[in-house]
Amino acid sequence: GNSVTQMEGPVTLSEEAFLTINCTYTATGYPSLFWYVQYPGEGLQLLLKATKADDKGSNKGFEATYRKETTSFHLEKGSVQVSDSAVYFCAVPFSGTYKYIFGTGTRLKVLA
Amino acid sequence: GAVVSQHPSWVICKSGTSVKIECRSLDFQATTMFWYRQFPKQSLMLMATSNEGSKATYEQGVEKDKFLINHASLTLSTLTVTSAHPEDSSFYICSARDEERGGVYEQYFGPGTRLTVT
Repeated sequence: GNSVTQMEGPVTLSEEAFLTINCTYTATGYPSLFWYVQYPGEGLQLLLKATKADDKGSNKGFEATYRKETTSFHLEKGSVQVSDSAVYFCAVPFSGTYKYIFGTGTRLKVLA
Repeated sequence: GAVVSQHPSWVICKSGTSVKIECRSLDFQATTMFWYRQFPKQSLMLMATSNEGSKATYEQGVEKDKFLINHASLTLSTLTVTSAHPEDSSFYICSARDEERGGVYEQYFGPGTRLTVT
């Protein structure tokens, strides 16, 4: 079945630093891939998604490219801000279902 | 668009009592809703899938008699924690699927409900 492996955190960066959070998956076929963000004390918000191979999802300066050759969907941002401090989750649907498999989550802390 | 609300946002109850948490899709119809549980600094654990008009499907290891789920309409699902105990204290998050808006696999999440059992 499908699975997700996400980079362990926490990640601490200075403001304006470059961010990469790794996510790799195993899947049957080419499912949609998602990144969600969770700010302290809140639920999850969709950050970006990609629905097919080679798609690039982007939002709020974050990007992730659906790479089928490396089965990866790494999250990147060129210049992080303090307000980006949150937990980031990579997600892929279970094979043949609408349920998600979430990665373990990566906590990002950005220092001013 | 695609807003999901939860009520209450936090609740404190005494051990042995029951607590109901509501999940509503405000601007779309949700044939399927999901209930998750999240422990501090951990990922989300799917508890059950709730389908409108039918019984919920529980994940392995989740006690269906303890966590009662009802999906009475296309915009409302409820989770009732029965005879709550301190170990049930957690952050409960629901999500809803809107096939028309976001595509078959996209889920929209509520803000979560923090339950503390004393």
